[in-house]
Amino acid sequence: NAGVTQTPKFQVLKTGQSMTLQCAQDMNHEYMSWYRQDPGMGLRLIHYSVGAGITDQGEVPNGYNVSRSTTEDFPLRLLSAAPSQTSVYFCASGKEITGGNTEAFFGQGTRLTVV
Amino acid sequence: GIQVEQSPPDLILQEGANSTLRCNFSDSVNNLQWFHQNPWGQLINLFYIPSGTKQNGRLSATTVATERYSLLYISSSQTTDSGVYFCAVWPRGSYQLTFGKGTKLSVIP
Repeated sequence: NAGVTQTPKFQVLKTGQSMTLQCAQDMNHEYMSWYRQDPGMGLRLIHYSVGAGITDQGEVPNGYNVSRSTTEDFPLRLLSAAPSQTSVYFCASGKEITGGNTEAFFGQGTRLTVV
Repeated sequence: GIQVEQSPPDLILQEGANSTLRCNFSDSVNNLQWFHQNPWGQLINLFYIPSGTKQNGRLSATTVATERYSLLYISSSQTTDSGVYFCAVWPRGSYQLTFGKGTKLSVIP
């Protein structure tokens, strides 16, 4: 298993450009999510999904869109990039444990710079 | 939402020393995880520990869910233990995995 795969690893965007960060997992996990990591802030949840066709907002959803058409993929879209979106982005998928508990596994991250 | 506080924020250890990292959370949780973010930025799963004690080599963790805290013990620290340790909780009834701000550990030879 490759686990959680994020592409690209690095990206530089100009203000106002759009792009999609890709996330794929091959573990058949129902749960997937996106986080951003900023210095001194820990990881903050952007959007998450508990299955194909189901998405919901996290703590910092503004400026980001998601969709979940398949179990394997959960892309994150920036429609009009802003310098405040400069960050490291992590995708995670979640393995359901008995009793409704979930264990999360993370991809290697995408470092995004908006100039 | 739930608050997750980690202490200390920074820790410097001599190689071979032991340490205890603490995670306090403000509400009931279904589950708690500990992660290590290495100097290359990779998040590595250390423990999935909703309650009780687990051990993995030189690392062990204890969660006391009724008192809303978890502890991560590192014994005989090595330079490869350096990085940031995150505690993250799954609030009860929620799929919003919530992170603390981490403890930055530096192990010096």
